[in-house]
Amino acid sequence: DGGITQSPKYLFRKEGQNVTLSCEQNLNHDAMYWYRQDPGQGLRLIYYSQIVNDFQKGDIAEGYSVSREKKESFPLTVTSAQKNPTAFYLCASSTRGSYNSPLHFGNGTRLTVT
Amino acid sequence: GQQLNQSPQSMFIQEGEDVSMNCTSSSIFNTWLWYKQDPGEGPVLLIALYKAGELTSNGRLTAQFGITRKDSFLNISASIPSDVGIYFCAGQWDGGSQGNLIFGKGTKLSVKP
Repeated sequence: DGGITQSPKYLFRKEGQNVTLSCEQNLNHDAMYWYRQDPGQGLRLIYYSQIVNDFQKGDIAEGYSVSREKKESFPLTVTSAQKNPTAFYLCASSTRGSYNSPLHFGNGTRLTVT
Repeated sequence: GQQLNQSPQSMFIQEGEDVSMNCTSSSIFNTWLWYKQDPGEGPVLLIALYKAGELTSNGRLTAQFGITRKDSFLNISASIPSDVGIYFCAGQWDGGSQGNLIFGKGTKLSVKP
């Protein structure tokens, strides 16, 4: 079954530590995205990548970094510079450059930093 | 920047009731999408709209792309308990890039106690 896998489901870290969230897809989608979701808020775009070895900042990229070395994988690192990292993080993918290719989402990683 | 106003923020439903929610913006969009999110999971696409005036159904769900391209609504008929969740609208502009996609803050559907 094709889909998007995010791991782990829950992640706990101490303040000041970097942490990397995994996202893998087997949908053969070119484009991948990371969103952040806070309670009562919509989804806010952190980074997106339309092709391997290329990525763009979204609306709230500060304190985050990404890499896109393989088509299937788009890991997100939450650095110690992110001032409020506790949130629900969602990874998504779509066919590149096609306006009628909606996003498909993974089931998210809930990060708690104390 | 682009902004979407989604309303209502929350609502309580009784089984069998019809439900209506909408998204409005001062900006024009080329695509409207409606997603549903269950607790602890990622959003799932319900309906996609690509043309002004388009009315599309998916089972008991019906959504419309406003003629001005600045709004969209979603109706759920004869609601059932599994309709509970958070519904998000999303609008996309400029075609092509999925970086040009913005989400509303969601409508939370709960069951009346």
